[in-house]
Amino acid sequence: TQLLEQSPQFLSIQEGENLTVYCNSSSVFSSLQWYRQEPGEGPVLLVTVVTGGEVKKLKRLTFQFGDARKDSSLHITAAQPGDTGLYLCAGGRRVFGNEKLTFGTGTRLTIIP
Amino acid sequence: GAGVSQSPSNKVTEKGKDVELRCDPISGHTALYWYRQRLGQGLEFLIYFQGNSAPDKSGLPSDRFSAERTGESVSTLTIQRTQQEDSAVYLCASSLGVAGPYEQYFGPGTRLTVT
Repeated sequence: TQLLEQSPQFLSIQEGENLTVYCNSSSVFSSLQWYRQEPGEGPVLLVTVVTGGEVKKLKRLTFQFGDARKDSSLHITAAQPGDTGLYLCAGGRRVFGNEKLTFGTGTRLTIIP
Repeated sequence: GAGVSQSPSNKVTEKGKDVELRCDPISGHTALYWYRQRLGQGLEFLIYFQGNSAPDKSGLPSDRFSAERTGESVSTLTIQRTQQEDSAVYLCASSLGVAGPYEQYFGPGTRLTVT
């Protein structure tokens, strides 16, 4: 079983603060995706990274794929209440010709206005 | 266009009964996935379809779980003789193809409660 551990599991911070969420594994992945899920809805893709060391920025969100393609981080600058949600990383590996995703344990983020 | 839809949105059933969960993927998406999400946790892979075939059933927890897909469209996940540990949200996702990495588009899920 390829486990993806996310930390912290829960995070509650004030609006305007910065935060980083980590996604770690002992396995190598060909791709790494980050999703955000809100209550009562399915996860929605935020970003896909495929190259070791790759950094992608999406407005106030910065995503990094580790050099060895075993870990990733999500950094949010100046957090806003709209950032509240469950953040899930998902590592991709080719299985039966398909990019099969293994999802992380999740980080539940709450931004306090 | 229309996203992934799932029905029912909520299902309460008695232990031992069978349930069927339905997923309507985005039109034209050849790949379809089923996941299980326990309260506050990440997603657990159950099964994946490419067209109407299921090359990877490795995540099905037991032989009480089965799934089919017809017309390269609708899929149903069937749980027989439900147990309390089956209580969870069952999520369906679809994507354009297999080569990947493709974005998986998720439905809102079916919340199953076994009493």
